[in-house]
Amino acid sequence: GEDVEQSLFLSVREGDSSVINCTYTDSSSTYLYWYKQEPGAGLQLLTYIFSNMDMKQDQRLTVLLNKKDKHLSLRIADTQTGDSAIYFCAEIVGANNLFFGTGTRLTVIP
Amino acid sequence: EPEVTQTPSHQVTQMGQEVILRCVPISNHLYFYWYRQILGQKVEFLVSFYNNEISEKSEIFDDQFSVERPDGSNFTLKIRSTKLEDSAMYFCASCPGVAYNEQFFGPGTRLTVL
Repeated sequence: GEDVEQSLFLSVREGDSSVINCTYTDSSSTYLYWYKQEPGAGLQLLTYIFSNMDMKQDQRLTVLLNKKDKHLSLRIADTQTGDSAIYFCAEIVGANNLFFGTGTRLTVIP
Repeated sequence: EPEVTQTPSHQVTQMGQEVILRCVPISNHLYFYWYRQILGQKVEFLVSFYNNEISEKSEIFDDQFSVERPDGSNFTLKIRSTKLEDSAMYFCASCPGVAYNEQFFGPGTRLTVL
């Protein structure tokens, strides 16, 4: 079955870059996503990448996809305290259902 | 900006009771979803709904669960006889179409079963 793995915790200093990693198992996924969850809030789509791309940049966010290794990463440049949240990677399975990773709790230290 | 809304934000119930969680998806969206997140765990897919019927469901979505779109705007999740392990955050999501690549999530309903 599907399995999406992430490290559970990441701490960075304000202004540094954060890199959140994810490995997934379903090689047929067409899209891979990064969602952000702030405390007590729902899931906010940050960015996504189509499976035939290697990289996507969107302002401070850079997504890298290594399809061979089934590895996805999210880099946040110039990390701010407002970036503190849980970050989930997710892949599409079935018709259009999201399969989420375990989530990485990012803590930004001022 | 249109958003998915969910009510109530927090529901407390006794084990064995029925609960109905309500969602108002974004109007003109066609696909609707329920996910749940047990405290400290990953977000899990429960069910997807399209054209007034269930498209897919996970093994979590057993006979205790049902979904309905009763009036063209609300999308509900019913749990017939709640168990302690149903305590979780339940998220509703909607999507304009299957080829679209974003599901819009509501803020969630926290269900606590005592």
